Parts: sequence; structure tokens; C-alpha cells
Amino acid sequence: NSKVIQTPRYLVKGQGQKAKMRCIPEKGHPVVFWYQQNKNNEFKFLINFQNQEVLQQIDMTEKRFSAECPSNSPCSLEIQSSEAGDSALYLCASSLQGNTLYFGAGTRLSVL
Amino acid sequence: GDSVTQTEGPVTVSESESLIINCTYSATSIAYPNLFWYVRYPGEGLQLLLKVITAGQKGSSRGFEATYNKETTSFHLQKASVQESDSAVYYCALGYNTGNYKYVFGAGTRLKVIA
Repeated sequence: NSKVIQTPRYLVKGQGQKAKMRCIPEKGHPVVFWYQQNKNNEFKFLINFQNQEVLQQIDMTEKRFSAECPSNSPCSLEIQSSEAGDSALYLCASSLQGNTLYFGAGTRLSVL
Repeated sequence: GDSVTQTEGPVTVSESESLIINCTYSATSIAYPNLFWYVRYPGEGLQLLLKVITAGQKGSSRGFEATYNKETTSFHLQKASVQESDSAVYYCALGYNTGNYKYVFGAGTRLKVIA
């Protein structure tokens, strides 16, 4: 069973609402990734962290999302103003050295 | 850019029959990426099934095997005799770090094993 814990499992929001999800990486893993998986099963990379620092992020994430990985607290990903196209499965993964990803069960977001 | 192409599902196989799910990759920034198979069982999260980081090597787990073939840029997943409990979605992926971490996932192959 995965040691990466994501909450909540399901999230329902109206358009324009904020949507926030959390991730506790596996203990000792300094690298954290967030992906969006759409209904076609395609993975879209959103952002990654090493310790508390952002390593890479895509434009969309920079503009509409806020994410952080504070020390001693869960990582979080928040959509500032949800759009219908944001409906997807959001996956958090952690890694010890970045060479293998271990995933959580995901947060399924539905934007009505 | 980098890409991973795998067998388009759904794939239906009878129990105790053999299985192969094809996976080919293209990596433009690195000659030998790490290769992975992940699996998502119904109602569960994505799990690492097996990985191989050295070209020419074979990985195995839970009766599944995959060999890293750099000549054909392939990493096909095989099992000699499937069980109903193998019904899941299987994802092939590549990963590497050239200063930036990068992972590319295939679109997944849904496997249904029937009794």
C-alpha cells in the first residue's frame, strides 16, 4: 500500500471556487511531484519540489495554481479559481532521489 | 519530445493465458532513461510494478517481466499465466534526471482477465 497520503479522495467545487488538496509524501522523501491525469488517462506534469523549493512548474500552474511543500506540514496544491477543464485526478508522488516515483491514491476533482 | 506508446486497450485475456503489453519509448534528451511499469488496480492508487535502469536488464515482479531493449527502444510487459486479480490498468513510463527531473507516461492499457 502507498505510503503517500492524499486528501481528500474526492472534491466537488463550483466554477470559480477554490479547490485545495493535500499530500503527505513518504517519510524521508524530499522530492514531490504533482500530476493531473485527465479522463483520457494522460498525465500532465504540474509542479515539483525538492524539500521546500519549487524545481519546475508549467505556465498553467504558475498562473492559476498555488502549491507549497512546507517543512513539517503536508504539501498542498490549490486551484485559485476552478474551471470545468480542471476536473481530473490529481496525483501526488514522492521520491527519495527523483529516480523513482511513489504515488498516492489521488484526489478526484469535479468542477460543476 | 519524449514519448511513450503502449498497447491500446482494453485487452481481454482468459485466465491462465499468456499476456504481452507492448511499450516503446522515445527519449530525446538522454540515451538510456529509466523505464517503469506502474499498475492501478480497481479502487486503488498507482503502484510501481517494476523498474529497470540498465539497458539489457530484465525486471520482474508478481510474475510479470519486462526487458529493457535499447535496440528496439522497447520495454514490453509479459506474464506467462495471468489471473483474474491481474485485471488493472498498466502504465509504461520513462524517467530521467539531466538537471531537471522528467517523467513521461503512456496512456495506459486496461487489462481484463476473464475466468
